[in-house]
Amino acid sequence: AQKVTQAQTEISVVEKEDVTLDCVYETRDTTYYLFWYKQPPSGELVFLIRRNSFDEQNEISGRYSWNFQKSTSSFNFTITASQVVDSAVYFCALSAAGRRALTFGSGTRLQVQP
Amino acid sequence: NAGVTQTPKFQVLKTGQSMTLQCAQDMNHEYMSWYRQDPGMGLRLIHYSVGAGITDQGEVPNGYNVSRSTTEDFPLRLLSAAPSQTSVYFCASSSGTSYNEQFFGPGTRLTVL
Repeated sequence: AQKVTQAQTEISVVEKEDVTLDCVYETRDTTYYLFWYKQPPSGELVFLIRRNSFDEQNEISGRYSWNFQKSTSSFNFTITASQVVDSAVYFCALSAAGRRALTFGSGTRLQVQP
Repeated sequence: NAGVTQTPKFQVLKTGQSMTLQCAQDMNHEYMSWYRQDPGMGLRLIHYSVGAGITDQGEVPNGYNVSRSTTEDFPLRLLSAAPSQTSVYFCASSSGTSYNEQFFGPGTRLTVL
């Protein structure tokens, strides 16, 4: 069975603060994929990143960075110098290679105050 | 490409009514799925299909039916709506070359009174 835990239900920060969203996963599969999705107030799901289990390199994209650590089964997401437009619900998700279905965490609501 | 489209965007039903949520994709993806999103629970898989004529149950299939007669369409049917089915429904598709990345539709917000 697969499981994704996002222990932070809601985070509130002031603009320009850095914030890290935690994601811990459980799987018995040796090959799997991890994802982050953003859900802004408008409701759609926006794909942010995919990481393969065999690639533990961290990734940076502008103000966003992701830290994948297989040893702790974590795939954390950091926003540097947060902005009001970053306010959204962020979901971490997991799928095993060969099975397309995604297992989602419960999401973290990020509020960035001006 | 329109990507994944869903209709309607909003729907209100009375308990016991039936309806079909429509989902279509124009990316020739073989895999399509339906998720429901409830507060505090993330998205949960209802049904999925790996190709035309093939469907299977996900985590929360009870109360829902699906069929896949074409590659493009994957409708979700509620035969007798219940208040517990009040939720936001997302349809998604993916191809075999996308490393399981799912492309999501805009969602349908369903309220059952």
